[in-house]
Amino acid sequence: SQQGEEDPQALSIQEGENATMNCSYKTSINNLQWYRQNSGRGLVHLILIRSNEREKHSGRLRVTLDTSKKSSSLLITASRAADTASYFCATDKGQGFSFIFGKGTRLLVKP
Amino acid sequence: EPEVTQTPSHQVTQMGQEVILRCVPISNHLYFYWYRQILGQKVEFLVSFYNNEISEKSEIFDDQFSVERPDGSNFTLKIRSTKLEDSAMYFCASSDISGGYTFGSGTRLTVV
Repeated sequence: SQQGEEDPQALSIQEGENATMNCSYKTSINNLQWYRQNSGRGLVHLILIRSNEREKHSGRLRVTLDTSKKSSSLLITASRAADTASYFCATDKGQGFSFIFGKGTRLLVKP
Repeated sequence: EPEVTQTPSHQVTQMGQEVILRCVPISNHLYFYWYRQILGQKVEFLVSFYNNEISEKSEIFDDQFSVERPDGSNFTLKIRSTKLEDSAMYFCASSDISGGYTFGSGTRLTVV
């Protein structure tokens, strides 16, 4: 079974619009993380949300977690061209410290 | 801000050769990891390391792979006999007890 699958696979928006990406997972988790990756570059940690948290904010980013639906969303408000990247959610398996990454959402923000 | 440092940034090696990828985790972190990302594919977990031993490993991490923390600062991934399919970006990460990872910028391994 796949753990941590993002939706949509690709998203294209205009600068200034909001971008929402979703992540679904199958097994119970302790933590869920969102990462950004610019093409061919490293992974940048955005937010970690724990299973007992429902929402977290960091600047223009808002992450929600619904453990009953086993889903999370990442909202980027007032997007900028520099937000163009792939965004991944990563979930643990409820134990241990390894995380399983989804395939990611490719976000294109057009100027 | 503290960083995880990986060297080299790009390594080209002949098939069958051994490679060692190096990482310097954040100094007060206790958990260390290697992940890899084959071009265009998912980031995949390889191994986690804590208290000088492997705490978890994936099916990918077979006998040709090994990890070591030879001193107090470095964390290395060795691939004994590289295959073409080992070509990928290899990411090192470290975390503290809170679980939030910091990733390095990766080593692009090309096996020819």
